[in-house]
Amino acid sequence: QKEVEQNSGPLSVPEGAIASLNCTYSDRVSQSFFWYRQYSGKSPELIMSIYSNGDKEDGRFTAQLNKASQYVSLLIRDSQPSDSATYLCAVNYQGSNYKLTFGKGTLLTVNP
Amino acid sequence: DGGITQSPKYLFRKEGQNVTLSCEQNLNHDAMYWYRQDPGQGLRLIYYSQIVNDFQKGDIAEGYSVSREKKESFPLTVTSAQKNPTAFYLCASSNSGLSPSGANVLTFGAGSRLTVL
Repeated sequence: QKEVEQNSGPLSVPEGAIASLNCTYSDRVSQSFFWYRQYSGKSPELIMSIYSNGDKEDGRFTAQLNKASQYVSLLIRDSQPSDSATYLCAVNYQGSNYKLTFGKGTLLTVNP
Repeated sequence: DGGITQSPKYLFRKEGQNVTLSCEQNLNHDAMYWYRQDPGQGLRLIYYSQIVNDFQKGDIAEGYSVSREKKESFPLTVTSAQKNPTAFYLCASSNSGLSPSGANVLTFGAGSRLTVL
């Protein structure tokens, strides 16, 4: 059973701080990695995708992938109250081009 | 505007009833998916369809059925055989699956919340 593990949180950070969200996965042979943001009662929306080792930056968001250690992380710089949401990590395992495996999500609260 | 439309947004069902959730997309995507989300849980795949007139079971297909008669539509029926159907149901689509480069990503509808009375 391929799994994706996330700290359930909640993670609480003050406004302006860096929020760090972590995700580990069980299968070395994985292709694509995604971070989705989900506000309460809403559907997930894609924040970042990353496919190769290293960092990928998009505005205040940075995704970091380390395939050898089987983890992917999301850093949110200058956190804002509007970043308060559940962040879902998703992994596309090799041979499963039509399936994403999701973690249970980490609830982030940014305090003004 | 292109997107995915799910209906109804809220649905109540009595035990023993079948209900059908609608999902329509105008993104011209080939692949469509149904996920279920329970409180504090991630998304679990129910069914997916790569092309019209074809679909595959996901991880939790028991008690559900789907059809894909048109590219734009992928309705989900929650049957009476599904013992715990109260959940948030999400429909998604992607263009020809999820490529290794991640070029094709999932786009989600707004969701349908089903409650069994």
